[in-house]
Amino acid sequence: LAKTTQPISMDSYEGQEVNITCSHNNIATNDYITWYQQFPSQGPRFIIQGYKTKVTNEVASLFIPADRKSSTLSLPRVSLSDTAVYYCLVGVYSSASKIIFGSGTRLSIRP
Amino acid sequence: EAQVTQNPRYLITVTGKKLTVTCSQNMNHEYMSWYRQDPGLGLRQIYYSMNVEVTDKGDVPEGYKVSRKEKRNFPLILESPSPNQTSLYFCASRTGGTGNTIYFGEGSWLTVV
Repeated sequence: LAKTTQPISMDSYEGQEVNITCSHNNIATNDYITWYQQFPSQGPRFIIQGYKTKVTNEVASLFIPADRKSSTLSLPRVSLSDTAVYYCLVGVYSSASKIIFGSGTRLSIRP
Repeated sequence: EAQVTQNPRYLITVTGKKLTVTCSQNMNHEYMSWYRQDPGLGLRQIYYSMNVEVTDKGDVPEGYKVSRKEKRNFPLILESPSPNQTSLYFCASRTGGTGNTIYFGEGSWLTVV
């Protein structure tokens, strides 16, 4: 899996849009980009996945530039309940691959 | 409902007393894995399995064993637990192929005294 780099932590306020960027310079042609959210003492939960351009679901948007060497998770109008750790994973998850989670980004939302 | 179920959720045990943490998934997934999570170290993979009777070491396999005799079950075995295995453990499963997602269990808090 491609190595990823994310900010260790971010702070924001309720109602704001939050953008978390992940760098993955060594992304391979077949790699997908997937983001997970983890609340304290719970297992990570799938948020969104994309291959190129933009993907949007009911929770977030994922922006991927043409060179795919980075991606940005966008959380619109965050609330206190969005306080969590967010992980960026890049890979194809082939049959022999390990799944490696980095340290993630600890997002803290304030009132 | 798609689920990964772990048991026990909480356990305090003593050094050297063998224990097993069970994991079961109801999604017919080929791949299952175990992670441990410690403060400041993120999620680290212990073992993973690509299918029945096929397992391989992750990044921190020392002190652990696994088995995959049935597709739905992937127990984690601590033959002789030690205090440095005190951690939060997660079981996960996914299908094969590209672009798939990982489903995690609710976690098992293990304390070895």
